[in-house]
Amino acid sequence: NAGVMQNPRHLVRRRGQEARLRCSPMKGHSHVYWYRQLPEEGLKFMVYLQKENIIDESGMPKERFSAEFPKEGPSILRIQQVVRGDSAAYFCASSQYLAESSYEQYFGPGTRLTVT
Amino acid sequence: GESVGLHLPTLSVQEGDNSIINCAYSNSASDYFIWYKQESGKGPQFIIDIRSNMDKRQGQRVTVLLNKTVKHLSLQIAATQPGDSAVYFCAEKTQGGKLIFGQGTELSVKP
Repeated sequence: NAGVMQNPRHLVRRRGQEARLRCSPMKGHSHVYWYRQLPEEGLKFMVYLQKENIIDESGMPKERFSAEFPKEGPSILRIQQVVRGDSAAYFCASSQYLAESSYEQYFGPGTRLTVT
Repeated sequence: GESVGLHLPTLSVQEGDNSIINCAYSNSASDYFIWYKQESGKGPQFIIDIRSNMDKRQGQRVTVLLNKTVKHLSLQIAATQPGDSAVYFCAEKTQGGKLIFGQGTELSVKP
């Protein structure tokens, strides 16, 4: 059973370009979470999605950032007009369901975005 | 606001010794906590979790202790090995499902 897949693993963009980060959850998982990690810091929640729905986007910057999780295909985190401050590692996690009795988020290897 | 933090940013131990990594949380309503291990260049890896109705949970070589009175969480690693060298994060699950992570403690194991 393949784990959470993210691609690309490394992405270099010039200021003003667009970055598209992809996440394929574990098989059978319908919940996806995106987190951002700055150097020497912990992970910060960005957005929580289910298929075709954004459940919680309280951690997403108001501008330039968007996320989707279509019925078919991977979840996409899109950053428009990137700036140097967007340079970070972006991690995707997936879970099977949200329940009181059992809960675990499995993380992908991350995409390291560098803005030059 | 909600926050999860760690007392020490770095911890150095001798191979074979036990390691204790601490974490403080601020939201007394939190009911689920997780410890993750992150090696360089990789994503966080689940180690062990604990629900708020428990005080202690044991895994293979790891034990998590929860003290709700002082809102403190700890991870104990028995017989620490070089492969345990990594950054360890505690995380707190909110009712909405998202995780709130602490800053992390870097564990270094000396041979």
